[in-house]
Amino acid sequence: DQQVKQNSPSLSVQEGRISILNCDYTNSMFDYFLWYKKYPAEGPTFLISISSIKDKNEDGRFTVFLNKSAKHLSLHIVPSQPGDSAVYFCAAEDDKIIFGKGTRLHILP
Amino acid sequence: DTAVSQTPKYLVTQMGNDKSIKCEQNLGHDTMYWYKQDSKKFLKIMFSYNNKELIINETVPNRFSPKSPDKAHLNLHINSLELGDSAVYFCASSQGYGAEAFFGQGTRLTVV
Repeated sequence: DQQVKQNSPSLSVQEGRISILNCDYTNSMFDYFLWYKKYPAEGPTFLISISSIKDKNEDGRFTVFLNKSAKHLSLHIVPSQPGDSAVYFCAAEDDKIIFGKGTRLHILP
Repeated sequence: DTAVSQTPKYLVTQMGNDKSIKCEQNLGHDTMYWYKQDSKKFLKIMFSYNNKELIINETVPNRFSPKSPDKAHLNLHINSLELGDSAVYFCASSQGYGAEAFFGQGTRLTVV
């Protein structure tokens, strides 16, 4: 039973455009959400997070939006760059970090 | 200066063997985790330790036994390996609840 869902297994975006990665969750008790980026043969690396008391957090090209009523969060990357091609995991935390299945982002030249 | 390091990176072994994966973190974190990434790329938590004490033990077979000799180390011992144990195992650490976790590079275990 997936508590964190990323329904798009892959996404292709033109370089320079905006990449939007989506994530849904089922547990309203989650109060901390994170995005991780993963390259092949490496461990996930932390990207950005948001507390449930906020609806937006921005860090450079990365912005995470949280819609608690819809139990939905999204990661916006703008402008997208070739190095952004990776798998992105959405995660939520209560007493442990629970990950979605990931979305593979391809940035096209 | 790797923050979270796991050894070995690759492990190929026969069914029925016993093997260990080591994990060390030099971040001074109190909490360490083991995650399993299965063939469907799902990252699932297996165990969580806080200051050498077991905090979370998800539904994992008894053949898996974590050991934390000190708060900088969390090793994973697996007895009687089965084909279904083949996966990538990630160690991670964090300062605790509400803090991001830092991951090791993963150990790809292949049971033949």
